[in-house]
Amino acid sequence: QSALTQPASVSGSPGQSITISCTGTSTDVGGYNYVSWYQQHPGKAPKLMVYDVSNRPSGVSSRFSGSKSGNTASLTISGLQAEDEADYYCTSYSSSSTLPYFFGTGTKVTVL
Amino acid sequence: QVQLVQSGAEVKKPGASVKISCKASGYTFINYYMHWVRQAPGQGLEWMGIITPSGDDKWYAQKIQGRVTMMTDTSTSTVYMELSSLRSEDTAVYYCAREGFSEAKHFDFWGQGTLVTVSS
Repeated sequence: QSALTQPASVSGSPGQSITISCTGTSTDVGGYNYVSWYQQHPGKAPKLMVYDVSNRPSGVSSRFSGSKSGNTASLTISGLQAEDEADYYCTSYSSSSTLPYFFGTGTKVTVL
Repeated sequence: QVQLVQSGAEVKKPGASVKISCKASGYTFINYYMHWVRQAPGQGLEWMGIITPSGDDKWYAQKIQGRVTMMTDTSTSTVYMELSSLRSEDTAVYYCAREGFSEAKHFDFWGQGTLVTVSS
């Protein structure tokens, strides 16, 4: 396995809630509470939004929340705003000796 | 404030090498690991490797093992990543990313990115 599986795109109207899934295996997402989520606007560096499954760094809006069930992690954005339109990537630590950090395939969030 | 400032864009021919720098400031350099991540045009993020601040320990992704070298200069709080035998598929934006405190397994600050273009 070389990447965690995310939906290619998710969309919602302003004020709505959306959820992005991130599916891995028992050797990465399911085996550790080291899932993190990153927001990336076009031409910009990624920004940490959630770490250790459900923790938010200082300065990140409480509208962003994370969770995990089995081998699937999720990022929920509530009260969707225009500035939330971006690409989102999940990452998990892995027991693999050849690739200890897996990124997700990425999800384009569109605010309608 | 934490800042990671990377060197500028590079254009290289196939088979050449490129060395990118990442100068850290605003925190105690020796307390944090550094990762390198790349992103090909229109593609997702790809983890490349990690280096301890002393430079004594490194862990590279198997895909690029043998072509990548990471190093640190603690006197200038700078991390370097060198990639050799460049191919067209190495064309990407390369990011340095700091790992959170105490081997936190996430990347809390990122450099601005360095575009490397490999073209004949």
